[in-house]
Amino acid sequence: EVQLVESGGGLVQPGGSLRLSCAASGFTFSSYEMNWVRQAPGKGLEWVSYISSSGSTIYYADSVKGRFTISRDNAKNSLYVQVNSLRAEDTAVYYCARGPPYYYDSSGFDYWGQGTLVTVSS
Amino acid sequence: QSALTQPASVSGSPGQSITISCTGNSSDVGGYNYVSWYQQHPGKAPKLMIYDVTKRPSGVSNRFSGSKSGNTASLTISGLQADDEADYYCSSYTSSSTWVFGGGTKLTVL
Repeated sequence: EVQLVESGGGLVQPGGSLRLSCAASGFTFSSYEMNWVRQAPGKGLEWVSYISSSGSTIYYADSVKGRFTISRDNAKNSLYVQVNSLRAEDTAVYYCARGPPYYYDSSGFDYWGQGTLVTVSS
Repeated sequence: QSALTQPASVSGSPGQSITISCTGNSSDVGGYNYVSWYQQHPGKAPKLMIYDVTKRPSGVSNRFSGSKSGNTASLTISGLQADDEADYYCSSYTSSSTWVFGGGTKLTVL
């Protein structure tokens, strides 16, 4: 069974930092593209970042570029995002979401974790 | 990257069909066959319902179908059921190698 379990969220002051993690199981993690997607309270979904299966290709939304850093450890079946210089508008539930395998020309995020809440407030 | 445009709400009675539109531009929806649709019940994670414009993941009911014409994609739900009541989001790959979501549509089953 595919499982994605996020952790690392919490309350942080403006300007602070956190490292969010996503532990993957039930599939060959190293073969799949991965993403972070966030959802502010009562708002819609916002794509945040993408990382290729090998980690060699990375993309960010303009809203987080320069402040967030996505990474993965295929040996540990884990996805990460380092979130720095946090602002009130970064308050959201952060989901990790599985993309397609590297050998499949497709799109769509087929599995999602339960999310981890990041609250930025003084 | 601006969000894709979806109606804020749609409604229908059990057994009826509804369609949710998702409008972008030639740099996203119109430029790629990489449109996806997600269902989200309150307090839950999103669930993939349609990918690559028209494809259904295993386990998703064939009452859900997707299409695209120009810069507008659509999700159609036929034979509405009470459990279909949820928020629906479209998403598209973009020419900037990013993804963009729509603002979401709240479906009410009357």
